[in-house]
Amino acid sequence: AQSVTQLGSHVSVSEGALVLLRCNYSSSVPPYLFWYVQYPNQGLQLLLKYTSAATLVKGINGFEAEFKKSETSFHLTKPSAHMSDAAEYFCAVSYSGGGADGLTFGKGTHLIIQP
Amino acid sequence: ETGVTQSPTHLIKTRGQQVTLRCSSQSGHNTVSWYQQALGQGPQFIFQYYREEENGRGNFPPRFSGLQFPNYSSELNVNALELDDSALYLCATDGPGGSNEQYFGPGTRLTVT
Repeated sequence: AQSVTQLGSHVSVSEGALVLLRCNYSSSVPPYLFWYVQYPNQGLQLLLKYTSAATLVKGINGFEAEFKKSETSFHLTKPSAHMSDAAEYFCAVSYSGGGADGLTFGKGTHLIIQP
Repeated sequence: ETGVTQSPTHLIKTRGQQVTLRCSSQSGHNTVSWYQQALGQGPQFIFQYYREEENGRGNFPPRFSGLQFPNYSSELNVNALELDDSALYLCATDGPGGSNEQYFGPGTRLTVT
């Protein structure tokens, strides 16, 4: 079964510092990969996605992620953290293309921004 | 703004009761998926409907069932509620054709007492 591992349930960084949120997936076949953000009491918002077109993917709000097949990783980064980035971040994977198997999510990483 | 709405926002039910949650999306979105997000966890896939038929299901028992209607609305029904059913229930619709993206609604918070 497919799985997604997010290392670190909580990550704390200072405002202006680099943000790095880690995601590893289990598969021998490159999947579709996504990062979503969830603000308190809200649904999930798509940050970015990987669908084999390019290994470095740029998303909204200055976030980007790099697909590394050899490491089965899809880590999320942002060069300079902003207070508004404080939220829960989820990495997700799908293998079906059409989505009939749904998205498999990691457990999430809570990003804390220190002033 | 995803164009996906859900109702109600919050709901409290008693163990053993039945509940219906609703989701609406904009026209042209033929796929709807439902997810359960327990507190402190990532969402878990319940099932997906495509043009009013179930075409994928996660590891959830048959007491979780759904419907999709021609007007791009859908329902999630849960029978014989259990305390562990307390969660945020999210519906999601497909993105632009072939994009493999899903766009989520704000969710319904269900509490079972």
